[in-house]
Amino acid sequence: NAGVTQTPKFRVLKTGQSMTLLCAQDMNHEYMYWYRQDPGMGLRLIHYSVGEGTTAKGEVPDGYNVSRLKKQNFLLGLESAAPSQTSVYFCASSDPGQTYEQYFGPGTRLTVT
Amino acid sequence: ILNVEQSPQSLHVQEGDSTNFTCSFPSSNFYALHWYRWETAKSPEALFVMTLNGDEKKKGRISATLNTKEGYSYLYIKGSQPEDSATYLCAFRSTSGTYKYIFGTGTRLKVLA
Repeated sequence: NAGVTQTPKFRVLKTGQSMTLLCAQDMNHEYMYWYRQDPGMGLRLIHYSVGEGTTAKGEVPDGYNVSRLKKQNFLLGLESAAPSQTSVYFCASSDPGQTYEQYFGPGTRLTVT
Repeated sequence: ILNVEQSPQSLHVQEGDSTNFTCSFPSSNFYALHWYRWETAKSPEALFVMTLNGDEKKKGRISATLNTKEGYSYLYIKGSQPEDSATYLCAFRSTSGTYKYIFGTGTRLKVLA
């Protein structure tokens, strides 16, 4: 049981380049999330999805797009990377319900130069 | 905007000391409060999910309490060990958006041997 996996683990981009981060979960969870983690800022929600085919904006969505074509996958896209997007990105998944926990992926460290 | 605050931001304790830290959250529209343990270079791991006012949860030397009326939760570590060194995060969920986890910025604990 792999849980939540993220691809790639590390990436360096030049300003203006694009890339897609892939998150996959094998727990059949309904909800999936993308967060970014910056020093002193905690985890901030970028986008989330409450089911296959649905996505919604979180706290810091600008410069990112997402898609959830399959229940187990949640893709985060950067169309034109900026240095301000240098961060560690975490994907998470959970089921709806009061006592359900979020499970996190290992993170992707992205540097934009 | 829902605000979740954690204090202190960081602390150092000696091995064997007991310690506690606080998570403050809105006292209205409470749905759930989550505690996570986050070791450096790893992903957050769930410790507790707390849903009822007066809840007390325990896992080994770590325990947590919940006061939803006044909007706070305490995390206690008894007899701290170096392996307890980590950042402890809390996340609040509101009835106005149960799928959203609002994270505090964490308390960074360093246990000195």
